[in-house]
Amino acid sequence: GQQLNQSPQSMFIQEGEDVSMNCTSSSIFNTWLWYKQEPGEGPVLLIALYKAGELTSNGRLTAQFGITRKDSFLNISASIPSDVGIYFCAGQIPLDTGANNLFFGTGTRLTVIP
Amino acid sequence: DAGVIQSPRHEVTEMGQEVTLRCKPISGHDYLFWYRQTMMRGLELLIYFNNNVPIDDSGMPEDRFSAKMPNASFSTLKIQPSEPRDSAVYFCASRQGRAFQETQYFGPGTRLLVL
Repeated sequence: GQQLNQSPQSMFIQEGEDVSMNCTSSSIFNTWLWYKQEPGEGPVLLIALYKAGELTSNGRLTAQFGITRKDSFLNISASIPSDVGIYFCAGQIPLDTGANNLFFGTGTRLTVIP
Repeated sequence: DAGVIQSPRHEVTEMGQEVTLRCKPISGHDYLFWYRQTMMRGLELLIYFNNNVPIDDSGMPEDRFSAKMPNASFSTLKIQPSEPRDSAVYFCASRQGRAFQETQYFGPGTRLLVL
């Protein structure tokens, strides 16, 4: 299956700092998604990007769909303790009979130090 | 909406026992997915259904794994016999339709430990 390389693997930051993480792939996707997973819970969708070059914000979160359609980044501004969790990027291709359509990155584990 | 519901949330069993995981998708969603998450392999798709019909089960690791969806509001993932290497978190997810704007919503997961 498609390989998504996500970096960094982990981050330790001070409360109030900005965070940046990115995801790259050798394959083209028509949708990029960013999920957050908290301990004991399933991934929750944060932001979805549907067009190459698209820049989308959701509160303190900003994500961009790379123009090559092979990469995406997520920024978190002014981090707070509740931002702690694992952030996953995911690339999505059209659903097709017999094929998987959502491929996940390896995750970025974020720790925010108060 | 209550979201995707999974049960049990935690399961501890002994090697060789049968394990059944359950999922109720979001009402109106016609796609249902089963994933497995481990530290080593991350999130892996096991199988997905469309309108209760299995579409792609290429991710199911072995014949010990089986999944059913008898109706639009219920699915099971069964492991028989279970082995310690099956220990993982199993997620169910659902989505509505094929449109690219639609995406998957995950349940809280079942944490399985096989001793």
